[in-house]
Amino acid sequence: EVQLVESGGGLVKPGGSLRLSCAASGFTFSTYSMNWVRQAPGKGLEWVSSISSSSRYISYADSMKGRFTISRDNAKNSLYLQMNSLRADDTAVYYCARGKSGGDYVHAYWGQGTLVTVSS
Amino acid sequence: DIQMTQSPSSLSASVGDRVTITCRASQSISSFLNWYQQKPGKAPKLLIYAASSLQSGVPSRFSGGGSGTDFTLTISSLQPEDFATYYCQQSYSTPVTFGQGTRLEIK
Repeated sequence: EVQLVESGGGLVKPGGSLRLSCAASGFTFSTYSMNWVRQAPGKGLEWVSSISSSSRYISYADSMKGRFTISRDNAKNSLYLQMNSLRADDTAVYYCARGKSGGDYVHAYWGQGTLVTVSS
Repeated sequence: DIQMTQSPSSLSASVGDRVTITCRASQSISSFLNWYQQKPGKAPKLLIYAASSLQSGVPSRFSGGGSGTDFTLTISSLQPEDFATYYCQQSYSTPVTFGQGTRLEIK
């Protein structure tokens, strides 16, 4: 069974940093692209970033470029999101999601999400 | 960026009704269109990928259609568990973009 478990969320002050993790199990992690998607309270879904299976291809939403860094450790079956210079509008539930096949942007499996709150 | 526009934004329907939600892309995305269902407090769930392919385990009352810029999600006979918010998403190019969502409520 595919399982994705996010951690690392919490309360952080504006301008602060946070590192999210996503632990994957139940599939061969190293063969799938991975993604972060967020959802602000009461709002819709917003794609954050994607990383290919080998980390060769990485992409970000424009509003996160230069502030967020996605990475993965295939030996540890883990996905990460380093978030710097956080702003109030980054407050959201952050989900990790696995691609359906090796290198697509179809989010076939999702974690339960981790809440990030940016507030003074 | 490719803009995704869903209609309607909200919809009231009854159990047993046939419901159709539409999604329009601001440019052609071929069949790179996916549909997700989200219930309150839960993660989204993939229903349909590549415009018309049913994800494993999803009931056959869900179907998708369209290509290019215009797409539909149809629920043939609404069940109580189908009342949720539905999102379309284009996976044609980055940045990946979602529609604003359609909230399906019980009439």
